[in-house]
Amino acid sequence: DIVLTQSPATLSVTPGESVSLSCRASQGISSSIHWYQQKSNESPRLLIKYVSQSISGIPSRFSGSGSGTDFTLIINRVESEDFSVYYCQQSYNLPYTFGAGTKLELK
Amino acid sequence: EVQLVESGGGLVQPGRSLKLSCAASGFTFSDYYMAWVRQAPTKGLEWVASISYDGGGTYYRDSVKGRFTISRDNAKSSLYLQMDSLRSEDTATYYCTTAIAAIWSYWGQGVMVTVSS
Repeated sequence: DIVLTQSPATLSVTPGESVSLSCRASQGISSSIHWYQQKSNESPRLLIKYVSQSISGIPSRFSGSGSGTDFTLIINRVESEDFSVYYCQQSYNLPYTFGAGTKLELK
Repeated sequence: EVQLVESGGGLVQPGRSLKLSCAASGFTFSDYYMAWVRQAPTKGLEWVASISYDGGGTYYRDSVKGRFTISRDNAKSSLYLQMDSLRSEDTATYYCTTAIAAIWSYWGQGVMVTVSS
């Protein structure tokens, strides 16, 4: 199975800061990496697909980058509504797997 | 508006069965693969099973293979998950999702399954 390692586990930030969340795959997965946001007691929401492709309705402050095994979700100027957990997910191979998540919290 | 509404969860003893349902609306159900993704309490997300447009292809994670069966009824715009021989480690919130190339765009609100004696 492809293991996705997200870091850091928790990130404490102040609104207005820009942050980068990392996701590293245990093997090359081309561009088959996607990012989800899950707010407390809510269902996950798709933010970014295929590394950097935007999703309709998602604010433009969310972007993605990376290739091969190393991928990054960037949040430009964090807003209060962004404090939640972020997961990366690979669709390269079965079984489809998620990272353990990065919790973005208020400093 | 896309809506996915899960039902059928609850408390069940180990070894027993439960069937989850997901009623879909707001999109052409038969145009999408569908999937179940679960989340154990305070844990991360875990893909469980996927099904092709017409139900001819089904895919499972190893830990549920032979115990869970995913199915769909396109005429009713409904997705199902038959769960047999349930174990304590199956305790989770189960989400119904639309799937395009294993990217899950729309999610239901989730349904809780608790396996305990």
